[in-house]
Amino acid sequence: GENVEQHPSTLSVQEGDSAVIKCTYSDSASNYFPWYKQELGKGPQLIIDIRSNVGEKKDQRIAVTLNKTAKHFSLHITETQPEDSAVYFCAASKGTSGTYKYIFGTGTRLKVLA
Amino acid sequence: NAGVTQTPKFRILKIGQSMTLQCTQDMNHNYMYWYRQDPGMGLKLIYYSVGAGITDKGEVPNGYNVSRSTTEDFPLRLELAAPSQTSVYFCASTARGGGGELFFGEGSRLTVL
Repeated sequence: GENVEQHPSTLSVQEGDSAVIKCTYSDSASNYFPWYKQELGKGPQLIIDIRSNVGEKKDQRIAVTLNKTAKHFSLHITETQPEDSAVYFCAASKGTSGTYKYIFGTGTRLKVLA
Repeated sequence: NAGVTQTPKFRILKIGQSMTLQCTQDMNHNYMYWYRQDPGMGLKLIYYSVGAGITDKGEVPNGYNVSRSTTEDFPLRLELAAPSQTSVYFCASTARGGGGELFFGEGSRLTVL
């Protein structure tokens, strides 16, 4: 079945350094790849997403890259700040192919050390 | 704008009891989802709905039931609660199923003892 693998499970970086989280998906029909940030005691919130017709997308300090051939996508956070500390989830879905499901990775706990 | 509202936020159940987790959204979204979040296991899809009267199973539907009588509401029913159902439950909705932003509620923490 559909599966999304996410690595690493925990990541500690010094403030100002970059952080990279990687995900691999199994279903080649997947065409939408969002990233969510979950702060303690809250529900996840979308921070960036990418569709299969695009290889890279940036939004200020956050970027996502997609390699369809290898079936993996990555989240890049530059100039990390303490408020970036949270759990990050990747997800994949097949959108318009009619299944409407979002399959999530297992999450990465990011700690930004001041 | 309330978004997605879940109740209750916390609940303790005894083994064998039943309960309903409520979820309502005020964004007129057709697509709604229930996920459970276990430590280190990410978010697992329980059930989802693409509109009023239409529901479908996700990855881990056993022990749960849902209904969707209105666009706004998507309750999750737990029958005969078991310790394995101890988890944090999240309801989410989106205007574009499978291709749009999911809006999550703040979660319902359920403990089964």
